[in-house]
Amino acid sequence: SQQGEEDPQALSIQEGENATMNCSYKTSINNLQWYRQNSGRGLVHLILIRSNEREKHSGRLRVTLDTSKKSSSLLITASRAADTASYFCATAPISGGYQKVTFGTGTKLQVIP
Amino acid sequence: GAGVSQSPRYKVAKRGQDVALRCDPISGHVSLFWYQQALGQGPEFLTYFQNEAQLDKSGLPSDRFFAERPEGSVSTLKIQRTQQEDSAVYLCASSSSAGGTYEQYFGPGTRLTVT
Repeated sequence: SQQGEEDPQALSIQEGENATMNCSYKTSINNLQWYRQNSGRGLVHLILIRSNEREKHSGRLRVTLDTSKKSSSLLITASRAADTASYFCATAPISGGYQKVTFGTGTKLQVIP
Repeated sequence: GAGVSQSPRYKVAKRGQDVALRCDPISGHVSLFWYQQALGQGPEFLTYFQNEAQLDKSGLPSDRFFAERPEGSVSTLKIQRTQQEDSAVYLCASSSSAGGTYEQYFGPGTRLTVT
């Protein structure tokens, strides 16, 4: 079963615009990760944010985490056609030892040149 | 450096056939995961290895699915008596940490089509 749900399911924007996608999850987490998947390169890790962090930046990516609302957002600024892909959040729950990562349902982003 | 590789990339099997999917993780990575991804969905966890030990197989859909990692490096996912509902992309991922605490590096996947 999928732990996270991304919103929206699909998003279409013009090149240069910003794209925001959201992830909601159900159980308490140790960390939350965002991945990108396109047909050319498979699943690629983008960024990891720990439960005690509220915001993290990496290049044109900005991730926020609100553990009280059990939600995260991924902002891609100044989008490019190459950002066209599906984006997934993945959560690692709080538990001793091994932690199973669970993926959400994904947001399909299309950036129109 | 070399990433995670999987073979074959595509596999077509007739219903009832057995298939074996191979994963070569990044050298030295302790953790290895198998996922099943249906069209338009996120990856669904199948099983997890820490070195050669299979610590979690709770995601395997039935006893027709079997995975092994005998020497703590290469892993094989075997599906016996394939059914049409087994058609999916099977992803392998490895991580340098125990469990899923750190980022996972994914292979390109094996697309299995059962006819």
